[in-house]
Amino acid sequence: SQTIHQWPATLVQPVGSPLSLECTVEGTSNPNLYWYRQAAGRGLQLLFYSVGIGQISSEVPQNLSASRPQDRQFILSSKKLLLSDSGFYLCAWTGGSSYNSPLHFGNGTRLTVT
Amino acid sequence: GDSVTQMEGPVTLSEEAFLTINCTYTATGYPSLFWYVQYPGEGLQLLLKATKADDKGSNKGFEATYRKETTSFHLEKGSVQVSDSAVYFCALLQPWGGAQKLVFGQGTRLTINP
Repeated sequence: SQTIHQWPATLVQPVGSPLSLECTVEGTSNPNLYWYRQAAGRGLQLLFYSVGIGQISSEVPQNLSASRPQDRQFILSSKKLLLSDSGFYLCAWTGGSSYNSPLHFGNGTRLTVT
Repeated sequence: GDSVTQMEGPVTLSEEAFLTINCTYTATGYPSLFWYVQYPGEGLQLLLKATKADDKGSNKGFEATYRKETTSFHLEKGSVQVSDSAVYFCALLQPWGGAQKLVFGQGTRLTINP
């Protein structure tokens, strides 16, 4: 069966420090991968998605970037964190072949920028 | 663009009460519809789905019917339990740049009191 792993689970970082969040998927190949952010008391916002290695699409301009160095690895990064980057970051995957396939989410990373 | 509107929370009910959380959507075409649940401190879990008009998704006593004529996908449960306390998200799936994109409602926080 397929599983998705995200780490770390929680992170406290000072303003201006770099960020690297990692997500890996097991049990499937060539998944579509996603990063969503959930700000406190708000809904979910799609940040990035990827349909293949090295292919990244960004939904909104921001202080973050994403990379997909391997088929089942998706990384969210920042060179210098802002206070507004605080939130709950969720990685998700879906099978690329079926239009109706739901997204499956990891357990998330809670990031607090101080 | 496509959008999802959920009833505003928070919703507080007593155990064994009947639950309805309203969800309506705006979309071109006929997207697949989903309900996700987020328990405290966790990621999102797929609760149920419906991929075409008049489909009924069901899981763990929850049900929702895809109503094309009213563009709705209301979540219902006949008798809620304390363990149902969580945030519930309605979402639609749309094709997006070779992948799929989930568009979420704002979420409805549900609290069940014993």
